[in-house]
Amino acid sequence: NAGVTQTPKFRILKIGQSMTLQCTQDMNHNYMYWYRQDPGMGLKLIYYSVGAGITDKGEVPNGYNVSRSTTEDFPLRLELAAPSQTSVYFCASSYFGGDGYTFGSGTRLTVV
Amino acid sequence: AQSVTQPDIHITVSEGASLELRCNYSYGATPYLFWYVQSPGQGLQLLLKYFSGDTLVQGIKGFEAEFKRSQSSFNLRKPSVHWSDAAEYFCAVGVPGGGNKLTFGTGTQLKVEL
Repeated sequence: NAGVTQTPKFRILKIGQSMTLQCTQDMNHNYMYWYRQDPGMGLKLIYYSVGAGITDKGEVPNGYNVSRSTTEDFPLRLELAAPSQTSVYFCASSYFGGDGYTFGSGTRLTVV
Repeated sequence: AQSVTQPDIHITVSEGASLELRCNYSYGATPYLFWYVQSPGQGLQLLLKYFSGDTLVQGIKGFEAEFKRSQSSFNLRKPSVHWSDAAEYFCAVGVPGGGNKLTFGTGTQLKVEL
């Protein structure tokens, strides 16, 4: 049982480039989330999904886009990368609210 | 909207000493409450959770937390800290519905002195 799998683990982007961070879960969880983690700031919610075909903005959605075509996959798209998007990105999933999240191992992104 | 505060940015304890990490939340009713641990370069691992029932909850790695409604707190405790407990600890609060989103505190970095 792999849980939540994120790829890639590390990436360096140049300003203005685009990329997709991949996230896959094999637990049949309906809820999926993308957070970014910056030092001293905790985790901030970017986007979330309550099921296939349904997504919504979190606290810091600007510069990002998501899609959820299947229960398993929840990719995060960065368009026109900016230095402010340098961060560690975590994908998570959950079965229901009181169950807590299962996190992926993260993607460390640097924009130069 | 809910919020969560972890007042201590850094805490240093000696190995074998007891530990208490503070967490205060703001929400009008009883929320879901969680503690996560993050080792360097790793993802977050769930230590324990509370959403109803007994206010003292036991978690993995010998940790426990107590929900105190009157103080809006959910402090994490461990009676005897091991060097391997050095990590960053995050408290999180969630509310029923609305996508089951969690709001995280800014974290407490725990250092263990040998």
